[in-house]
Amino acid sequence: DVVLTQTPPTLSATIGQSVSISCRSSQSLLHSNGNTYLHWLLQRPGQSPQLLIYSVSRLESGVPNRFSGSGSGTDFTLKISGVEAEDLGVYYCVQGTHAPWTFGGGTKLELK
Amino acid sequence: QVQLTESGPGLVHPSETLSLTCTVSGFSLTGYSVYWVRQPSGKGLEWMGRMRYNGDTSYNSALKSRLSISRDTSKNQVFLKMNSLQTDDTGTYYCTRGFAYWGQGTLVTVSS
Repeated sequence: DVVLTQTPPTLSATIGQSVSISCRSSQSLLHSNGNTYLHWLLQRPGQSPQLLIYSVSRLESGVPNRFSGSGSGTDFTLKISGVEAEDLGVYYCVQGTHAPWTFGGGTKLELK
Repeated sequence: QVQLTESGPGLVHPSETLSLTCTVSGFSLTGYSVYWVRQPSGKGLEWMGRMRYNGDTSYNSALKSRLSISRDTSKNQVFLKMNSLQTDDTGTYYCTRGFAYWGQGTLVTVSS
């Protein structure tokens, strides 16, 4: 199974600060059809996960554009340009290229 | 609008079988895949398996021997059955459509 390694496990930020989260895969996530199925989710405390970014860099409808995704192959990054209080929670990367789909271990974003 | 709602027993005894239902609305099960994802309390997300739009299923290899996913398209329902439950199966179980739409989750406690 594909292993996704997220770093850092915990991130402390002030409001307005820009931060990045890394997701590294044990194998390339480039599908034979040319797409890369690497997505980013946010789970706020006590809530179900919410899709932020799909297919590496595509912003889900209704998600603020301070969120952006980049990367290719095995290395991917989620960037938040100017953290807001509502962004606090746990971020997960998830891959849907190789069955079974797998999640990263999560990155908890806290207020400094 | 798209909605998914999980239902099932809150308490299951060790070695028994868990049966959960995901009732969907706002879309057809013959047009979209539905996944099951679980989350042990205080821990990360684990993909369990999926019911594809065409009726095919695939499973997390670690759970495959205990897990079965089926559906009733006439009732807009997807079912999860997992046998030989143990205490480390305790957690919140979610159904999701492509990670973009999630149910509220249902808490399952495995205890005698």
